[in-house]
Amino acid sequence: AQSVTQPDIHITVSEGASLELRCNYSYGATPYLFWYVQSPGQGLQLLLKYFSGDTLVQGIKGFEAEFKRSQSSFNLRKPSVHWSDAAEYFCAVGADTGNQFYFGTGTSLTVIP
Amino acid sequence: DAGITQSPRYKITETGRQVTLMCHQTWSHSYMFWYRQDLGHGLRLIYYSAAADITDKGEVPDGYVVSRSKTENFPLTLESATRSQTSVYFCASSEGGLAGERYFGPGTRLTVT
Repeated sequence: AQSVTQPDIHITVSEGASLELRCNYSYGATPYLFWYVQSPGQGLQLLLKYFSGDTLVQGIKGFEAEFKRSQSSFNLRKPSVHWSDAAEYFCAVGADTGNQFYFGTGTSLTVIP
Repeated sequence: DAGITQSPRYKITETGRQVTLMCHQTWSHSYMFWYRQDLGHGLRLIYYSAAADITDKGEVPDGYVVSRSKTENFPLTLESATRSQTSVYFCASSEGGLAGERYFGPGTRLTVT
């Protein structure tokens, strides 16, 4: 069965520092991959998505993610974190086979000044 | 561009009462979804709809009813609310099918007393 894992429940970074949030998936073929952000009291907002092609994907708010097939990973990165980036981040995987869509359990990001 | 709207944003109801949560999208996406988000359980799919008059169960459908007479609306009804249905409910839509990206509404926080 397909699945998606976010190993880090909570991450704290200093404002201005770089950020990498991890996401690993389990799926036989190339899945569709997504990152969402959820600010407190808000819905989930799509940051970026990967379907095929260039494995480095640029998203909104200065985020990027890299698909690494050999590692079954789709990690989210940002070179310099802003206080407004504090939120919950969800990785998600879509699979045409079986028409499935799975969310990870989320990583909570705290940004300290 | 309104996207997806949900109403009400907050609702308090009593055990046993019927309550309907509304969802409206302006994109004409074929697919619509209802999720609930709870601490410790993440996002769980309640019901989804592939088109008007086509609905199907998700992971946790018990106690919920949906309908979709128009493409843009997808109401969720709790027929007899229970305390275990206290949650935050998110409506989402997709033009990419079951494996494609979801676009979320702002959510409805429901408390059942």
